[in-house]
Amino acid sequence: EDQVTQSPEALRLQEGESSSLNCSYTVSGLRGLFWYRQDPGKGPEFLFTLYSAGEEKEKERLKATLTKKESFLHITAPKPEDSATYLCAVTMYGGATNKLIFGTGTLLAVQP
Amino acid sequence: KAGVTQTPRYLIKTRGQQVTLSCSPISGHRSVSWYQQTPGQGLQFLFEYFSETQRNKGNFPGRFSGRQFSNSRSEMNVSTLELGDSALYLCASSLAGTGGPSEQFFGPGTRLTVL
Repeated sequence: EDQVTQSPEALRLQEGESSSLNCSYTVSGLRGLFWYRQDPGKGPEFLFTLYSAGEEKEKERLKATLTKKESFLHITAPKPEDSATYLCAVTMYGGATNKLIFGTGTLLAVQP
Repeated sequence: KAGVTQTPRYLIKTRGQQVTLSCSPISGHRSVSWYQQTPGQGLQFLFEYFSETQRNKGNFPGRFSGRQFSNSRSEMNVSTLELGDSALYLCASSLAGTGGPSEQFFGPGTRLTVL
Protein backbone atom coordinates (compact mmCIF):
# COMPACT_ATOMS: atom_id res chain seq x y z
CA GLU A 1 0.00 0.00 0.00
CA ASP A 2 1.25 3.46 -0.88
CA GLN A 3 2.18 5.23 2.32
CA VAL A 4 3.86 8.38 3.60
CA THR A 5 5.20 8.49 7.16
CA GLN A 6 6.50 11.57 8.92
CA SER A 7 8.58 11.77 12.05
CA PRO A 8 8.67 12.99 14.67
CA GLU A 9 4.99 13.74 15.24
CA ALA A 10 5.94 16.77 17.30
CA LEU A 11 9.17 18.67 17.84
CA ARG A 12 9.99 21.45 20.25
CA LEU A 13 13.12 23.54 19.56
CA GLN A 14 14.75 26.52 21.12
CA GLU A 15 15.24 29.50 18.84
CA GLY A 16 18.46 28.93 16.91
CA GLU A 17 18.51 25.17 17.52
CA SER A 18 18.76 23.47 14.11
CA SER A 19 17.05 20.15 13.40
CA SER A 20 15.56 17.95 10.68
CA LEU A 21 12.15 16.53 9.94
CA ASN A 22 11.82 13.19 8.18
CA CYS A 23 9.39 11.97 5.53
CA SER A 24 9.68 8.36 4.41
CA TYR A 25 7.59 7.00 1.59
CA THR A 26 6.59 3.63 0.23
CA VAL A 27 5.01 4.13 -3.17
CA SER A 28 4.92 2.16 -6.39
CA GLY A 29 6.56 4.90 -8.41
CA LEU A 30 7.40 8.35 -7.09
CA ARG A 31 6.60 11.17 -9.47
CA GLY A 32 7.14 14.06 -7.06
CA LEU A 33 7.50 14.87 -3.36
CA PHE A 34 6.08 18.05 -1.91
CA TRP A 35 6.59 19.91 1.36
CA TYR A 36 3.93 22.21 2.77
CA ARG A 37 3.65 24.35 5.86
CA GLN A 38 0.28 24.69 7.59
CA ASP A 39 -0.63 27.22 10.24
CA PRO A 40 -3.64 26.58 12.51
CA GLY A 41 -6.96 27.19 10.75
CA LYS A 42 -5.32 27.84 7.38
CA GLY A 43 -4.71 25.92 4.19
CA PRO A 44 -1.30 24.35 3.51
CA GLU A 45 1.30 26.72 2.07
CA PHE A 46 3.53 25.30 -0.68
CA LEU A 47 7.25 25.15 0.17
CA PHE A 48 9.12 22.77 -2.17
CA THR A 49 8.81 20.15 -4.87
CA LEU A 50 11.48 17.46 -5.33
CA TYR A 51 11.49 15.06 -8.25
CA SER A 52 14.62 12.93 -8.17
CA ALA A 53 17.01 11.40 -5.64
CA GLY A 54 19.85 13.75 -4.82
CA GLU A 55 17.82 16.87 -5.49
CA GLU A 56 18.00 19.69 -2.93
CA LYS A 57 16.07 22.95 -2.62
CA GLU A 58 16.45 25.85 -0.21
CA LYS A 59 14.32 28.71 0.96
CA GLU A 60 15.47 31.00 3.76
CA ARG A 61 16.11 28.75 6.80
CA LEU A 62 14.65 25.64 5.15
CA LYS A 63 16.37 23.05 2.99
CA ALA A 64 14.69 19.98 1.54
CA THR A 65 16.54 16.90 0.31
CA LEU A 66 15.39 13.69 -1.37
CA THR A 67 16.70 10.11 -1.46
CA LYS A 68 15.11 7.02 -2.98
CA LYS A 69 13.28 6.25 0.26
CA GLU A 70 12.90 9.48 2.19
CA SER A 71 13.08 13.23 2.31
CA PHE A 72 14.40 15.54 4.97
CA LEU A 73 13.40 19.07 5.77
CA HIS A 74 16.33 20.74 7.50
CA ILE A 75 15.60 23.84 9.58
CA THR A 76 18.63 25.98 10.30
CA ALA A 77 18.59 28.43 13.21
CA PRO A 78 14.78 28.43 13.48
CA LYS A 79 12.77 31.39 14.71
CA PRO A 80 9.43 31.36 16.56
CA GLU A 81 7.66 32.28 13.31
CA ASP A 82 8.74 28.91 11.90
CA SER A 83 6.31 27.24 14.30
CA ALA A 84 3.73 25.35 12.25
CA THR A 85 2.78 21.88 11.06
CA TYR A 86 4.99 20.67 8.22
CA LEU A 87 3.35 18.28 5.79
CA CYS A 88 4.95 15.97 3.28
CA ALA A 89 3.03 14.60 0.28
CA VAL A 90 3.76 12.53 -2.82
CA THR A 91 2.33 12.02 -6.27
CA MET A 92 2.86 8.78 -8.14
CA TYR A 93 3.04 7.44 -11.63
CA GLY A 94 0.03 5.51 -12.84
CA GLY A 95 -2.61 7.51 -11.01
CA ALA A 96 -4.16 10.93 -11.35
CA THR A 97 -1.48 13.46 -12.02
CA ASN A 98 -2.35 15.68 -9.09
CA LYS A 99 -3.54 13.26 -6.42
CA LEU A 100 -1.45 13.96 -3.32
CA ILE A 101 -0.93 11.34 -0.63
CA PHE A 102 -0.09 13.14 2.60
CA GLY A 103 1.77 12.15 5.73
CA THR A 104 0.27 13.09 9.07
CA GLY A 105 2.65 15.99 9.59
CA THR A 106 5.20 17.18 12.12
CA LEU A 107 4.06 19.85 14.57
CA LEU A 108 7.01 22.16 15.14
CA ALA A 109 7.15 24.58 18.06
CA VAL A 110 10.06 27.02 18.28
CA GLN A 111 10.44 28.74 21.61
CA PRO A 112 12.15 32.14 21.98
CA LYS B 1 -1.99 37.37 -8.43
CA ALA B 2 -4.97 36.30 -6.34
CA GLY B 3 -4.76 32.96 -4.61
CA VAL B 4 -7.28 30.16 -4.34
CA THR B 5 -10.51 31.31 -2.76
CA GLN B 6 -13.10 29.17 -1.03
CA THR B 7 -16.57 30.04 0.14
CA PRO B 8 -18.03 29.90 2.63
CA ARG B 9 -15.24 29.83 5.21
CA TYR B 10 -17.42 28.37 7.94
CA LEU B 11 -20.57 26.33 7.81
CA ILE B 12 -22.77 24.68 10.41
CA LYS B 13 -25.27 22.07 9.30
CA THR B 14 -27.33 19.34 10.92
CA ARG B 15 -27.33 15.64 10.15
CA GLY B 16 -29.25 14.72 7.01
CA GLN B 17 -28.83 18.10 5.34
CA GLN B 18 -26.76 18.70 2.25
CA VAL B 19 -24.07 21.29 1.62
CA THR B 20 -22.33 22.86 -1.36
CA LEU B 21 -18.83 24.30 -1.12
CA SER B 22 -17.25 26.52 -3.75
CA CYS B 23 -13.68 26.99 -4.95
CA SER B 24 -12.19 29.52 -7.35
CA PRO B 25 -8.71 28.51 -8.55
CA ILE B 26 -5.79 30.76 -9.33
CA SER B 27 -6.31 32.48 -12.67
CA GLY B 28 -5.06 30.24 -15.48
CA HIS B 29 -5.11 27.06 -13.41
CA ARG B 30 -7.26 24.34 -14.92
CA SER B 31 -6.87 21.58 -12.35
CA VAL B 32 -8.82 21.65 -9.11
CA SER B 33 -8.52 19.02 -6.38
CA TRP B 34 -10.49 18.65 -3.17
CA TYR B 35 -9.23 17.25 0.13
CA GLN B 36 -10.79 16.51 3.50
CA GLN B 37 -8.73 17.21 6.60
CA THR B 38 -9.63 15.75 10.00
CA PRO B 39 -7.54 15.34 13.16
CA GLY B 40 -7.80 11.56 12.97
CA GLN B 41 -7.25 10.92 9.26
CA GLY B 42 -5.20 13.90 8.19
CA LEU B 43 -5.49 15.13 4.61
CA GLN B 44 -7.32 12.76 2.29
CA PHE B 45 -7.92 13.14 -1.44
CA LEU B 46 -11.55 13.48 -2.49
CA PHE B 47 -11.42 14.12 -6.24
CA GLU B 48 -9.74 16.06 -9.00
CA TYR B 49 -11.22 17.96 -11.93
CA PHE B 50 -9.48 19.09 -15.07
CA SER B 51 -11.24 20.83 -17.94
CA GLU B 52 -14.66 20.08 -16.44
CA THR B 53 -13.94 16.33 -16.22
CA GLN B 54 -13.41 14.32 -13.07
CA ARG B 55 -9.94 12.85 -13.50
CA ASN B 56 -9.78 10.78 -10.33
CA LYS B 57 -11.77 10.07 -7.19
CA GLY B 58 -10.67 9.08 -3.72
CA ASN B 59 -12.16 6.46 -1.47
CA PHE B 60 -15.23 8.33 -0.28
CA PRO B 61 -18.90 7.38 -0.48
CA GLY B 62 -21.13 8.56 -3.28
CA ARG B 63 -22.59 11.22 -1.01
CA PHE B 64 -19.52 13.26 -1.93
CA SER B 65 -19.68 14.70 -5.43
CA GLY B 66 -18.28 17.59 -7.34
CA ARG B 67 -18.18 19.42 -10.61
CA GLN B 68 -16.10 21.96 -12.48
CA PHE B 69 -17.35 24.78 -14.64
CA SER B 70 -15.93 26.13 -17.89
CA ASN B 71 -14.17 28.94 -16.00
CA SER B 72 -12.41 26.27 -13.86
CA ARG B 73 -14.37 27.15 -10.73
CA SER B 74 -15.39 24.05 -8.84
CA GLU B 75 -18.04 23.02 -6.37
CA MET B 76 -18.31 20.00 -4.15
CA ASN B 77 -21.51 18.71 -2.65
CA VAL B 78 -22.10 16.47 0.32
CA SER B 79 -25.57 15.01 0.68
CA THR B 80 -27.17 13.43 3.73
CA LEU B 81 -24.59 14.83 6.10
CA GLU B 82 -23.22 12.68 8.90
CA LEU B 83 -21.44 13.73 12.09
CA GLY B 84 -18.23 12.27 10.69
CA ASP B 85 -18.30 14.70 7.78
CA SER B 86 -17.22 17.50 10.12
CA ALA B 87 -13.86 18.56 8.75
CA LEU B 88 -11.83 21.22 7.01
CA TYR B 89 -12.46 20.93 3.27
CA LEU B 90 -9.56 22.18 1.20
CA CYS B 91 -9.39 23.03 -2.46
CA ALA B 92 -6.12 23.10 -4.38
CA SER B 93 -5.41 24.35 -7.87
CA SER B 94 -2.55 23.80 -10.28
CA LEU B 95 -1.60 24.33 -13.88
CA ALA B 96 -1.06 20.61 -14.48
CA GLY B 97 -2.33 19.11 -17.67
CA THR B 98 -1.30 15.62 -18.65
CA GLY B 99 2.41 16.25 -18.73
CA GLY B 100 3.13 15.52 -15.11
CA PRO B 101 2.61 17.00 -11.67
CA SER B 102 3.04 20.62 -10.84
CA GLU B 103 2.77 22.49 -7.62
CA GLN B 104 -0.66 22.59 -6.01
CA PHE B 105 -1.73 25.72 -4.18
CA PHE B 106 -4.32 25.46 -1.47
CA GLY B 107 -7.13 27.74 -0.46
CA PRO B 108 -7.93 28.65 3.16
CA GLY B 109 -10.52 25.88 3.43
CA THR B 110 -14.15 25.63 4.49
CA ARG B 111 -14.69 24.51 8.07
CA LEU B 112 -17.82 22.33 8.09
CA THR B 113 -19.42 21.40 11.39
CA VAL B 114 -22.24 18.86 11.39
CA LEU B 115 -24.45 18.81 14.50
